[in-house]
Amino acid sequence: DGGITQSPKYLFRKEGQNVTLSCEQNLNHDAMYWYRQDPGQGLRLIYYSQIVNDFQKGDIAEGYSVSREKKESFPLTVTSAQKNPTAFYLCASSIARAPAYYGYTFGSGTRLTVV
Amino acid sequence: ILNVEQSPQSLHVQEGDSTNFTCSFPSSNFYALHWYRWETAKSPEALFVMTLNGDEKKKGRISATLNTKEGYSYLYIKGSQPEDSATYLCAFFGGGGNKLTFGTGTQLKVEL
Repeated sequence: DGGITQSPKYLFRKEGQNVTLSCEQNLNHDAMYWYRQDPGQGLRLIYYSQIVNDFQKGDIAEGYSVSREKKESFPLTVTSAQKNPTAFYLCASSIARAPAYYGYTFGSGTRLTVV
Repeated sequence: ILNVEQSPQSLHVQEGDSTNFTCSFPSSNFYALHWYRWETAKSPEALFVMTLNGDEKKKGRISATLNTKEGYSYLYIKGSQPEDSATYLCAFFGGGGNKLTFGTGTQLKVEL
């Protein structure tokens, strides 16, 4: 079945360490997105990519980095510069040519805890 | 940053009750309004994508309406069942950005 796989489901890291969250899709979608969820807040966009080798900052990109070397993969690195990295991270994908008009497909998320 | 608001924040209803939630969004530069259902321990699932003023969409017991001129959408659930318990998210596409902006969600709990 087509879908999005995020791994790992739970991740623990020490403060000051960089950590990379994986997101892989087999839907042949061009566009991929990373969102962050904190208690009491809506999903906030970190980065998005509409085509391989290109990506744009979202609303809260500081302290994060991404790459898009393959259509299927959009890994997110949480760097030591991110001041409050503990959160739930969701990856999504969509058809790029008209992203407004097609629902996003989401992964099941990664809960990152920095201790 | 665009402002997308949902109300109420949470809702407890009895099985068989009908209920509705509201999503408010900017009324300018509108492209689309999305509704998602997010059950605990699962991925958010798209319910509706609405693009035209006056749009009405229906999926089983769930329906939604859209008013782009005044910037709101309603989601209705008729005869709520325990399996409807979830967080319902709305998301706005527009305002000059090529991306969805999500509301904080309405958490629905349907009790027997």
